[in-house]
Amino acid sequence: AQSVAQPEDQVNVAEGNPLTVKCTYSVSGNPYLFWYVQYPNRGLQFLLKYITGDNLVKGSYGFEAEFNKSQTSFHLKKPSALVSDSALYFCAVRALLGGSGSARQLTFGSGTQLTVLP
Amino acid sequence: SQTIHQWPATLVQPVGSPLSLECTVEGTSNPNLYWYRQAAGRGLQLLFYSVGIGQISSEVPQNLSASRPQDRQFILSSKKLLLSDSGFYLCAWIGEKLFFGSGTQLSVL
Repeated sequence: AQSVAQPEDQVNVAEGNPLTVKCTYSVSGNPYLFWYVQYPNRGLQFLLKYITGDNLVKGSYGFEAEFNKSQTSFHLKKPSALVSDSALYFCAVRALLGGSGSARQLTFGSGTQLTVLP
Repeated sequence: SQTIHQWPATLVQPVGSPLSLECTVEGTSNPNLYWYRQAAGRGLQLLFYSVGIGQISSEVPQNLSASRPQDRQFILSSKKLLLSDSGFYLCAWIGEKLFFGSGTQLSVL
């Protein structure tokens, strides 16, 4: 079964500093990896995805993520954090659901609360 | 265009009352549809998925049920809500692309 780990519940960073939100995964076959952001009482917003190709993926709002196959990681990064980046971030992996043939699901990490301090 | 709609956005219900959350999609046929729950602002747990009309699979045992009465409609229900059913519920359409509903914040009092 697939799994996603976000080892940090909380990440604090000063505005203007670089930020990293960590994610590691476990999946059979090639991974489809995603990052989503959630603001309070809101749905999920897509940031970026890795399907194939370049290991460095660029996404929305200046975020990027680096796919590292040997370390099974997909850490989210931003060179200069903004206070408005403060939110809950989810890493997810897409894989087949067992026994259903065509159905796929997203398995989410437990989330990392990012706080950018002014 | 392809879209997903989920309603209501917020809901406050007393313990023991019924529940019905609705999710519909547009711009596709025979979508794979999913219900997730997020408790206390943390991780998302898959509750149900459906690969077609009348086909429902449950990932975890609980007080909730799901139905797929039409190809593009997916409903989450309960006959009697529990306090522990409080949370944020998300409908999703997962295929070659991924679409999420805007979510329903359910508070059971």
